[in-house]
Amino acid sequence: DTAVSQTPKYLVTQMGNDKSIKCEQNLGHDTMYWYKQDSKKFLKIMFSYNNKELIINETVPNRFSPKSPDKAHLNLHINSLELGDSAVYFCASSQARQGGREKLFFGSGTQLSVL
Amino acid sequence: QKEVEQNSGPLSVPEGAIASLNCTYSDRGSQSFFWYRQYSGKSPELIMFIYSNGDKEDGRFTAQLNKASQYVSLLIRDSQPSDSATYLCALDTGRRALTFGSGTRLQVQP
Repeated sequence: DTAVSQTPKYLVTQMGNDKSIKCEQNLGHDTMYWYKQDSKKFLKIMFSYNNKELIINETVPNRFSPKSPDKAHLNLHINSLELGDSAVYFCASSQARQGGREKLFFGSGTQLSVL
Repeated sequence: QKEVEQNSGPLSVPEGAIASLNCTYSDRGSQSFFWYRQYSGKSPELIMFIYSNGDKEDGRFTAQLNKASQYVSLLIRDSQPSDSATYLCALDTGRRALTFGSGTRLQVQP
């Protein structure tokens, strides 16, 4: 009964490949996110979806394409992987509240290593 | 200037002492403030949130917010070795996603 689950946990691949990370939440939240955490632990927002609608799209290469088939799922597809894409990718979810008082709940992360 | 600044540490305290973690931010419009704890190799987990100026206590944790000075802090009383982790400060600037600092690594020495 994991609240936010993402797969795979580890992803090792060659440069130039295309890969996907899947995320599902069973908390009934209406907003889902993808964050990237670099080697210095800095967590940076990439995308956010609210009820399947893209609401945040940070300056991320267009090789990264999120897809939300429904409000419980948010997947991340990455084309033509590069060495600099190596990081931990976290999915998260929250429920919209007045005044922006939203608490994020994170998945366990996907460690992506591009060789 | 980074939106959220934290000293990367490590902050080393002896077991039983008070650990004080600080965070400053640049956006005066920030309304909601959060502290997340992240153990090595794990995901961040929410431990405290604070919306109003002043102190908020929850067990051994106290969050302090001063909007005029643009800082938020986390105090951990009676620190335990199990508190050793990276503590991430996060805030909501109204963009519908939290902005995180780079975290402070805390080491509690037995």
